Amino acid sequence: SAVISQKPSRDICQRGTSLTIQCQVDSQVTMMFWYRQQPGQSLTLIATANQGSEATYESGFVIDKFPISRPNLTFSTLTVSNMSPEDSSIYLCSVAWDSNSPLHFGNGTRLTVT
Amino acid sequence: SQQGEEDPQALSIQEGENATMNCSYKTSINNLQWYRQNSGRGLVHLILIRSNEREKHSGRLRVTLDTSKKSSSLLITASRAADTASYFCATDVNNDMRFGAGTRLTVKP
Repeated sequence: SAVISQKPSRDICQRGTSLTIQCQVDSQVTMMFWYRQQPGQSLTLIATANQGSEATYESGFVIDKFPISRPNLTFSTLTVSNMSPEDSSIYLCSVAWDSNSPLHFGNGTRLTVT
Repeated sequence: SQQGEEDPQALSIQEGENATMNCSYKTSINNLQWYRQNSGRGLVHLILIRSNEREKHSGRLRVTLDTSKKSSSLLITASRAADTASYFCATDVNNDMRFGAGTRLTVKP
């Protein structure tokens, strides 16, 4: 299995600012995803990070709010832009080697917006 | 959007007892997966069961799948305090992974 390093592990940010979360994997992976988990809730898929092209966003999530980069097969970033308290959540990076493989997760970034 | 629903939402048992969690889903699936999440951590994959399988074992874990009822169960035998965590089922529908709301399991020593 992969080692997935996610940074920062937590942050407290002021409304109106932006935060970029990094996800680094110790091996090349085909698929990378970003999830959001609100307190006490399940995981919601934000987008699939595509290497060398624009991310594929799920319904309710847009690129202007959650820009994603994936310059290579081991690294991705998620930016939470123009934050509001409603963006307070845990953001999780996950990877899979192929479409039939289970997901492997980073430890998440716990974001609090004040 | 969510696909699976876990039942119960919370479960509290004594160490040594068995814990059973159920997951129901709505559409046909390629496979169903169970994950564990310790507080403040990422999810850890436990077991994957394909749509053509009915039962799978991994150590103290036993997963069943009934595609006719669109349901799955996760059994943890001889539970330990370290099993305290949230457990999520996730359904794979054409490579689209959807997570349920989870069951919060507490195992008392």
